[in-house]
Amino acid sequence: AQTVTQSQPEMSVQEAETVTLSCTYDTSESNYYLFWYKQPPSRQMILVIRQEAYKQQNATENRFSVNFQKAAKSFSLKISDSQLGDTAMYFCAFMKHQGAQKLVFGQGTRLTINP
Amino acid sequence: NAGVMQNPRHLVRRRGQEARLRCSPMKGHSHVYWYRQLPEEGLKFMVYLQKENIIDESGMPKERFSAEFPKEGPSILRIQQVVRGDSAAYFCASSRTGNTEAFFGQGTRLTVV
Repeated sequence: AQTVTQSQPEMSVQEAETVTLSCTYDTSESNYYLFWYKQPPSRQMILVIRQEAYKQQNATENRFSVNFQKAAKSFSLKISDSQLGDTAMYFCAFMKHQGAQKLVFGQGTRLTINP
Repeated sequence: NAGVMQNPRHLVRRRGQEARLRCSPMKGHSHVYWYRQLPEEGLKFMVYLQKENIIDESGMPKERFSAEFPKEGPSILRIQQVVRGDSAAYFCASSRTGNTEAFFGQGTRLTVV
């Protein structure tokens, strides 16, 4: 079975700073997807970024980028020039490439951006 | 193009009552997933359905919980004889196929009193 671990329950940074959220996972699969989701107080789950394991290039979406280390089974999220609106819970998630299309989530990191 | 619609947003039930949670997937989506989020935890997979079929129910409790996705109408997650431990946020997600991005609804917060 796959597991996803987020070792930072809470993080706090000043507006405009850069912050990195950690995620490690365990799987015997060779091909899979990894995701970062944002959950603001509204509770809506918002996809931030997605990485396909067979792609070596790290995914980027504007101020959001990942550092995907397949051998180390590590998938960290970097938020540059952080904004107040980035305050939210952030969840790392894993999905197998084929078979049951279900997401396995980590426990989450509560990120607070301070003015 | 409306997103995934869940209703109700909030549901309060007394212990022993039944809870019915509805999920209307995005237009053109025939794959539905249900997840449960306990307070201060990540989402946990419950069940994956396609129209009229349960594909994977490995995360569903063996008793009191059931799910359906009929040919017409929304997907329903049904919890019979609710207990306090069922209090959680229940999220539905839908996708066009099993391999494409799943979009989440805003969840239903169930409170059992």
